[in-house]
Amino acid sequence: DAGVTQSPTHLIKTRGQQVTLRCSPKSGHDTVSWYQQALGQGPQFIFQYYEEEERQRGNFPDRFSGHQFPNYSSELNVNALLLGDSALYLCASSIYGRQETQYFGPGTRLLVL
Amino acid sequence: GENVEQHPSTLSVQEGDSAVIKCTYSDSASNYFPWYKQELGKRPQLIIDIRSNVGEKKDQRIAVTLNKTAKHFSLHITETQPEDSAVYFCAIGGGADGLTFGKGTHLIIQP
Repeated sequence: DAGVTQSPTHLIKTRGQQVTLRCSPKSGHDTVSWYQQALGQGPQFIFQYYEEEERQRGNFPDRFSGHQFPNYSSELNVNALLLGDSALYLCASSIYGRQETQYFGPGTRLLVL
Repeated sequence: GENVEQHPSTLSVQEGDSAVIKCTYSDSASNYFPWYKQELGKRPQLIIDIRSNVGEKKDQRIAVTLNKTAKHFSLHITETQPEDSAVYFCAIGGGADGLTFGKGTHLIIQP
């Protein structure tokens, strides 16, 4: 039974660039949520996708966008990168109807220089 | 918006002793209360959760208690072991903004 997977594991970008992060949910899960975890902090909710639509969104600017594919995998896109976007980006998968019970992937560590 | 306060930020206990971490929240609509364990460089791992229709839940050495009237919930770890050393996060769910996490507690188990 495959768990949540994310790619890449690490990424270095410069200010102003764009980045795409990828997530495959746990087998049998259909809902994907994305979180940003700054160093020494708890994860912060970015948004949640189900049936290829954004269902919930946290307090993040429009530079953060996403997509969900028919196979339930998801992408997180961040445009016009800022130094403050440096963080661990976590994907969590769940089953719609009990979407609050979330299982996290290993994360992508993004460094913006 | 939803807010979760977690205390203490660091907790050091002797191996074999118990550890208790507490969280308080403000949103009455919250109805799901999970706890995650995060070891250095690894993913947050769901270790136990409780819903608002239950006051206490236990899984081996780990238990969670919920006081919905007072809006606080706690994680209890008994007979602590070295492998319990990690950062523990409480979270709340059931609102419109995914899971809202506390700032974490660094649990240190002293041999």
